[in-house]
Amino acid sequence: AQSVTQLGSHVSVSEGALVLLRCNYSSSVPPYLFWYVQYPNQGLQLLLKYTSAATLVKGINGFEAEFKKSETSFHLTKPSAHMSDAAEYFCAVSDRSSYKLIFGSGTRLLVRP
Amino acid sequence: EAQVTQNPRYLITVTGKKLTVTCSQNMNHEYMSWYRQDPGLGLRQIYYSMNVEVTDKGDVPEGYKVSRKEKRNFPLILESPSPNQTSLYFCASSHSPSVYNSPLHFGNGTRLTVT
Repeated sequence: AQSVTQLGSHVSVSEGALVLLRCNYSSSVPPYLFWYVQYPNQGLQLLLKYTSAATLVKGINGFEAEFKKSETSFHLTKPSAHMSDAAEYFCAVSDRSSYKLIFGSGTRLLVRP
Repeated sequence: EAQVTQNPRYLITVTGKKLTVTCSQNMNHEYMSWYRQDPGLGLRQIYYSMNVEVTDKGDVPEGYKVSRKEKRNFPLILESPSPNQTSLYFCASSHSPSVYNSPLHFGNGTRLTVT
C-alpha cells in the first residue's frame, strides 16, 4: 500500500531563511505527488504537483519541490521564508491507477521575525 | 466566486444526538469527498461520490453516512455521534476523480466537538 512520510511535525525558520520540508513516499512505481498548504482556518490549497515531465516542480508563492526517485523523496523548498508562509503543509501521494489521495501527517511551518 | 461551502464552521454536540454537516459546491463538479483531519494523522477520507446517487466508502467510514441527491450537495450525517468523532472535517470537490488532472477544491472546514 502506498504511504507518505513527512519528517518533522513542526519546522521553525527565521524570515529570509531557507525553507525545507521533507516528504518521502513508499510506492513500487513512481506515483503522482502533491504538496498542499493549509493557512489558519482555511481549507487546503494545491501548492504544486509532480508531473513526469520534469523532476523539479515549481509551484505558487515561490515554492518548488524536487522528485528524487533514488531517494523516494519529494521535498519542498523555498529560498527565502516570508512571514506569510506560516501554515501547515501536507505532502500527498496517489498511484496512477487510483482516484485516492493519501496524505502525510503534515508539517507546521513557523516563521520567526 | 468558485467555492466549496461547509456549514456550520463550528459545532459542539453531545453523544448520540444526530447531526448533519452540509457541503455545497458551485463549480458543477462531479466528484465530492469528505475528509477528517486529526493531529499527527493528516487527512483521512471518510466517503466519496463520483456523481449523483453514486457514493462509496473511504478509509474511515464507520459512524458516518452520506448522500448525493443533487450534484452540488454532499451532506455528511452522523447518526449517533461519539467523542472519537471529535475532529476537523473537510469537504472537497473536483471536476473529475482523477487527482492528477483535476485538483481538489476544499471547503474551510467544520470543527466538531462531541462531548
